Amino acid sequence: DSGVTQTPKHLITATGQRVTLRCSPRSGDLSVYWYQQSLDQGLQFLIQYYNGEERAKGNILERFSAQQFPDLHSELNLSSLELGDSALYFCASSVVGSRGMDEQFFGPGTRLTVL
Amino acid sequence: SQQGEEDPQALSIQEGENATMNCSYKTSINNLQWYRQNSGRGLVHLILIRSNEREKHSGRLRVTLDTSKKSSSLLITASRAADTASYFCATRTGANNLFFGTGTRLTVIP
Repeated sequence: DSGVTQTPKHLITATGQRVTLRCSPRSGDLSVYWYQQSLDQGLQFLIQYYNGEERAKGNILERFSAQQFPDLHSELNLSSLELGDSALYFCASSVVGSRGMDEQFFGPGTRLTVL
Repeated sequence: SQQGEEDPQALSIQEGENATMNCSYKTSINNLQWYRQNSGRGLVHLILIRSNEREKHSGRLRVTLDTSKKSSSLLITASRAADTASYFCATRTGANNLFFGTGTRLTVIP
C-alpha cells in the first residue's frame, strides 16, 4: 500500500459526459501528479500540482483540468469524453524539494471506460 | 521527447535465471528511476540512480547508468515467478515530473 488513494476504482460512462477523479496523496506529500495509461500511448504525464499550485503540464488535453485543494487532495476533471479517453488514470505523490526523496508513490488507479 | 525506451519490449525467462532490461533516453538527466507495475495496478518505485552514479544495488536488483551513452540497465538476479510484471524506466531532468519509458513486460515461468 503506497498511501495514495484514488476513487473511484472503476468508472463507466458514455461519450460526451463529464467525470471527476479524486486523489489523496500520502500524508506529508505536497506534490500530486496525474498520469494516463492506455495500451497504445503508454504512461503519459498529464499535470503536476505542488501545494495547490500548478507546477508542470504534460500532454493534457484542453477538455481535461485538474486542481489541488488546501487539504492537498486533487481532482482530475475530464469533460466531453471520447472513446479514446478510456484508460487507466493514475495519481502519484512525492515530497518535492527534499534531497533524495524524489521517488513518486502511485495510487491504484481509476479505470475509465467510455462507451 | 525525453521519453525513454525500454528494450526488449517483452522478456520471458525461467525461474532462477537473471533478467536484464535496458533503457535509453535522449537528453541530460538528474536521475533515472526504475518502477514495476503488476498488471492493471499502480507503479511501485524500485530504485533510483543519480547522474553521477554508475551502479547501484538493492537486494536482487542491480542498476547501471552510462550517461555518455544515455542508457541504463536493470538486472534482476535469481528471478522468481513473483517478479512477473512490467518494468519502466523514468528520467528526471530539472523539472519535477518524470518521463516514463514504454516498459518491458517480464514473464518468469515457474
